[in-house]
Amino acid sequence: NAGVMQNPRHLVRRRGQEARLRCSPMKGHSHVYWYRQLPEEGLKFMVYLQKENIIDESGMPKERFSAEFPKEGPSILRIQQVVRGDSAAYFCASSPSAQGIEKLFFGSGTQLSVL
Amino acid sequence: SQQGEEDPQALSIQEGENATMNCSYKTSINNLQWYRQNSGRGLVHLILIRSNEREKHSGRLRVTLDTSKKSSSLLITASRAADTASYFCVGNNAGNMLTFGGGTRLMVKP
Repeated sequence: NAGVMQNPRHLVRRRGQEARLRCSPMKGHSHVYWYRQLPEEGLKFMVYLQKENIIDESGMPKERFSAEFPKEGPSILRIQQVVRGDSAAYFCASSPSAQGIEKLFFGSGTQLSVL
Repeated sequence: SQQGEEDPQALSIQEGENATMNCSYKTSINNLQWYRQNSGRGLVHLILIRSNEREKHSGRLRVTLDTSKKSSSLLITASRAADTASYFCVGNNAGNMLTFGGGTRLMVKP
């Protein structure tokens, strides 16, 4: 049973370009969470999705950021017109249940570098 | 869900010593979880302790929970260089997401 898969592992973009980060949850998990981490800091919650629905996007910046989790395929975190401040590690996690999470399974993350 | 706050922010010990990290939270919880993060990697779930439990063991890990003080501690006994990582706690009150604090950065020197 493969774990949470994120790709790419490293992504380099120039300012103004678009970044697309992909996450495939563990088999059987329909709940996906995206987090952002700056160096030497903790994880900041961004968005929580279930299949085809955004449940909580309270941690998402209002502009340039969007997320989706289609019926088929991986969850996508999309950052338009990237700026240097978007450089960070982006982690995806999945869970088999919604209420009363007892364990989150994390991917290895995507390190985004904006030049 | 709610955030846990870890203390200290950083801890440096010698291999073989015990490492103790503390966690505080603000409101009632159903369970409290500890995670570990190796540099550049995702978090890994270590252990969960429920609100009706006071202590739990898993290998070299010992977790305590004091709901009256809204605090928890993680003890790693006989530490190894491979234990070097950041450790995060998070309390869950049956919410549908987990919010993490800044973590404790543990350095175990060989």
